Amino acid sequence: GAGVSQTPSNKVTEKGKYVELRCDPISGHTALYWYRQSLGQGPEFLIYFQGTGAADDSGLPNDRFFAVRPEGSVSTLKIQRTERGDSAVYLCASSQSGLNNEQFFGPGTRLTVL
Amino acid sequence: RKEVEQDPGPFNVPEGATVAFNCTYSNSASQSFFWYRQDCRKEPKLLMSVYSSGNEDGRFTAQLNRASQYISLLIRDSKLSDSATYLCVVNLAGGGNKLTFGTGTQLKVEL
Repeated sequence: GAGVSQTPSNKVTEKGKYVELRCDPISGHTALYWYRQSLGQGPEFLIYFQGTGAADDSGLPNDRFFAVRPEGSVSTLKIQRTERGDSAVYLCASSQSGLNNEQFFGPGTRLTVL
Repeated sequence: RKEVEQDPGPFNVPEGATVAFNCTYSNSASQSFFWYRQDCRKEPKLLMSVYSSGNEDGRFTAQLNRASQYISLLIRDSKLSDSATYLCVVNLAGGGNKLTFGTGTQLKVEL
């Protein structure tokens, strides 16, 4: 079946611009996660949705970052006033509800802020 | 101190060699443990979960030592296709399903 999909695969923007990154989880997965991976590092947790609500947003670095999942399926990560330090690969994952269910990752969106 | 620490490598080994990766975690409340594999410019994929009793999946063996807060991965008879970055991953108790990743250990298997 279809895995997690993310669009765009690459995004180049200028400092100060607004960007939206989209994640389409595996059908039926109620849990959705956003991670950010910088070069040479492991992924870092940003936010976790259970259904439509953000169950844990403790990883969002500041108030320029916001994510929504209005219908409990597709999620959008929004970054305002982008900075060069926001450049990274943004990974989305989904899983069935319940603790320790395997998280399946999408291919990521590579964001470059010039 | 990082929550999950790994030697970044790279580990360059000949085909057929046995190689071991180690990982330590700082939070004693950690509940679940995993090894993920990540190929260059690809997404991470679950390799195996790690249990206190130790577990094996073909050429791969994972061990957990809760007292020492130490996790290991052993790869026997390594193949060229094993070349990748291996990420040690921890899930804190009460942390929902939020995963904490190490920086990864890079493995290169050579002819």
